[in-house]
Amino acid sequence: KQEVTQIPAALSVPEGENLVLNCSFTDSAIYNLQWFRQDPGKGLTSLLLIQSSQREQTSGRLNASLDKSSGRSTLYIAASQPGDSATYLCAVSSSGTSYGKLTFGQGTILTVHP
Amino acid sequence: DTAVSQTPKYLVTQMGNDKSIKCEQNLGHDTMYWYKQDSKKFLKIMFSYNNKELIINETVPNRFSPKSPDKAHLNLHINSLELGDSAVYFCASSQGFYMSDTQYFGPGTRLTVL
Repeated sequence: KQEVTQIPAALSVPEGENLVLNCSFTDSAIYNLQWFRQDPGKGLTSLLLIQSSQREQTSGRLNASLDKSSGRSTLYIAASQPGDSATYLCAVSSSGTSYGKLTFGQGTILTVHP
Repeated sequence: DTAVSQTPKYLVTQMGNDKSIKCEQNLGHDTMYWYKQDSKKFLKIMFSYNNKELIINETVPNRFSPKSPDKAHLNLHINSLELGDSAVYFCASSQGFYMSDTQYFGPGTRLTVL
């Protein structure tokens, strides 16, 4: 059974800092891994999707890496801004599971203060 | 121009009642999902429908019954509500049911059972 863990559970940083969020998964037989952002009272927004054959994906100030063999992914946020404050969720789609079934971590609550 | 919408946004009800949550997507997607986010913030899939047919049914009490009148709608009906049903319920949709398809999430419905 796939399990996804995110560390840290919460993170508070001053504006401008570079930061790293961590995600680990127990079964390395994954199809892809996604990072989502969740704002209070709103749904999830997909930030980056990394296929199992890829090692990283970049979008603006965000960079996500994937090490499938060790069961780890990191989300790097450069030059953080108060608008980045949200909960960041990691989710994996495991090979062999039925269709588009995602297994989520519990999230990292990020607060960027001015 | 909301992509995935859910109603109501908040639902407060007494134990034992029956309630429904509605979901609609205007993205022209074929697949829709229901997820439950519990108090510990874990998001877990409950059901998935593709073109009105059930394709994923996790271990969910049979008090929960999804209904898809057409591929743009997936409603969730809950009978005999229990305290443990209190959670945020998210609807999502994707173009297809393959693991490579990005899922788009609604804003969530916060259900509180008293």
